[in-house]
Amino acid sequence: EIVLTQSPGTLSLSPGERATLSCRASQNVSSSYLAWYQHKPGQAPRLLIYGASSRATGIPDRFSGSGSGTDFTLTISRLESEDFAVYYCQQFGRTFGQGTKVEIK
Amino acid sequence: VQLQQWGAGLLKPSETLSLSCRVYGDSFSGYYWSWIRQPPGKGLEWIGDINDSGNTDYNPSLKSRVTISIDTSKNHFSLKMSSVTAADTAIYYCARRTWFGGYRRYYYYMDVWDKGTTVTVSS
Repeated sequence: EIVLTQSPGTLSLSPGERATLSCRASQNVSSSYLAWYQHKPGQAPRLLIYGASSRATGIPDRFSGSGSGTDFTLTISRLESEDFAVYYCQQFGRTFGQGTKVEIK
Repeated sequence: VQLQQWGAGLLKPSETLSLSCRVYGDSFSGYYWSWIRQPPGKGLEWIGDINDSGNTDYNPSLKSRVTISIDTSKNHFSLKMSSVTAADTAIYYCARRTWFGGYRRYYYYMDVWDKGTTVTVSS
């Protein structure tokens, strides 16, 4: 069973700053299997990135994904107020990492 | 495509959780249909999924208590979880697991979700 570990647990940043979130897999994951989601309280999770680097429909280009093998990254180039949320990576459309909370500093 | 979930929101320990999710605006064919939960203060946990042929896969940690089924004639799929305890208190989501690809490169992700329903287990 592949385990995904996200870091940091919490990221405290100001609007306009750059956010870099990490997702590390316990063994190699095909990049086509790696997805990222945004989750806000009271809402359904929202698909941001699939295939490690492809933006889902309607996702702004300030969100980008990269990585391969065991190390994957989600980058938000300039944080906007609506980006403060919890972010999860997922592999194979099934298991999730434990999440990274992006909070306002 | 929209998903709409229903089922009992309050259970007693040892009872069976039963939730269903109806698919509007698309057929079941070609997708997997998933259940995910989020306990209070914790992250998302994949419970399991089913495809249109009725093939299932479950989270090993829940497999002994979980059954997912599908009714293609009524466009809905269901989750049953037996012997619930307080640890099963969570927001439960249903979602569509999409896959596509070819030539040894396949993509998998959950692109359609319902808004979630809270299930509380308490005596």
